[in-house]
Amino acid sequence: EDQVTQSPEALRLQEGESSSLNCSYTVSGLRGLFWYRQDPGKGPEFLFTLYSAGEEKEKERLKATLTKKESFLHITAPKPEDSATYLCAVHPSGGNTGKLIFGQGTTLQVKP
Amino acid sequence: EAQVTQNPRYLITVTGKKLTVTCSQNMNHEYMSWYRQDPGLGLRQIYYSMNVEVTDKGDVPEGYKVSRKEKRNFPLILESPSPNQTSLYFCASSFSLNTEAFFGQGTRLTVV
Repeated sequence: EDQVTQSPEALRLQEGESSSLNCSYTVSGLRGLFWYRQDPGKGPEFLFTLYSAGEEKEKERLKATLTKKESFLHITAPKPEDSATYLCAVHPSGGNTGKLIFGQGTTLQVKP
Repeated sequence: EAQVTQNPRYLITVTGKKLTVTCSQNMNHEYMSWYRQDPGLGLRQIYYSMNVEVTDKGDVPEGYKVSRKEKRNFPLILESPSPNQTSLYFCASSFSLNTEAFFGQGTRLTVV
């Protein structure tokens, strides 16, 4: 069964304290892996798409990496405005071609 | 402005009373999908559509119907809502499945 697991569920950081969020997946094959950010009461906002192992993408203080079994979202020197829930989603290549499977998310709180 | 618009934003209804949540996008996207978001369960895909007149089930389709008669609209229909369908619902669209998805603002549905 295709599955996406994110850890930790919640993370508290001090401003400037770098850390990483994990997204591990078990799927029959990977078409793409996505990272989204979600603020309370709003819809998710797109951050990155990764397609193959070894790929990396960066945006401001965020960097996403991908291996054959997991992806990491690295947050460097976070600021309070980075506080949000970060969602990982996987588009598997087998079976139902339109499926998109989300992890449960990691809620990040950055304290000043 | 590129956007996905859902209506209504909030809805309280009674068990068994048919309802429709509308979703419209102005980006000429081919792919649209519906999700529900519940605490501890994350985002789960209900239905998706790869193009006009092409729809398919996601992970949790029971109790829901969809239609895609026009490219821009993808309504979610609950023929006989039940309390276990109380949730936060999101519509999303993208040019294709493996590209950036834009999410609506969400519809908070309560079935009593």
